[in-house]
Amino acid sequence: GQNIDQPTEMTATEGAIVQINCTYQTSGFNGLFWYQQHAGEAPTFLSYNVLDGLEEKGRFSSFLSRSKGYSYLLLKELQMKDSASYLCAVLDSNYQLIWGAGTKLIIKP
Amino acid sequence: IAGITQAPTSQILAAGRRMTLRCTQDMRHNAMYWYRQDLGLGLRLIHYSNTAGTTGKGEVPDGYSVSRANTDDFPLTLASAVPSQTSVYFCASSEGAGGNEQFFGPGTRLTVL
Repeated sequence: GQNIDQPTEMTATEGAIVQINCTYQTSGFNGLFWYQQHAGEAPTFLSYNVLDGLEEKGRFSSFLSRSKGYSYLLLKELQMKDSASYLCAVLDSNYQLIWGAGTKLIIKP
Repeated sequence: IAGITQAPTSQILAAGRRMTLRCTQDMRHNAMYWYRQDLGLGLRLIHYSNTAGTTGKGEVPDGYSVSRANTDDFPLTLASAVPSQTSVYFCASSEGAGGNEQFFGPGTRLTVL
């Protein structure tokens, strides 16, 4: 079967750094996406990794290791507005996205 | 610039009734998708369309149907609603199928009683 695992909830402090992990087992791999979803809103795109390594985009970075079936999203200089759910999704061999249940990130002042 | 719109925003529906959720995009994207999102579960693909005139089944297609008569519109129909179809429904589109960013509509919150 196909499986995406990420922690259900994490808490971090404003100004700090947090790493959200995602492990996957899918039928094929054609890339991994991270999306942000604020409560009651639609998901919005953060990053896409298809090759191993780190992709940096401002305060957000995403890392991929295909051999380990592992990715993480790194958020630096946390702001209150970063309180949201972070969704990991893998593009499988049929080019369909398989989604994790999401990690709810709570930022405390 | 609207992007992708959905209607209605929310709906309460009696079991057994027929309901169509509307989705329209103005980005001329080829691919469109319907997902449902339930608490504690990831987004689950219901149906998709890689291009106008074609549709395909996703992970949870039973009880739902779609059509793609043109590029812009991708309606989702529940022929006879059941309480287990209570969910938040998101429509999304992407430039092409595969490794393209998907853009999501604001969602429709559907309650079936």
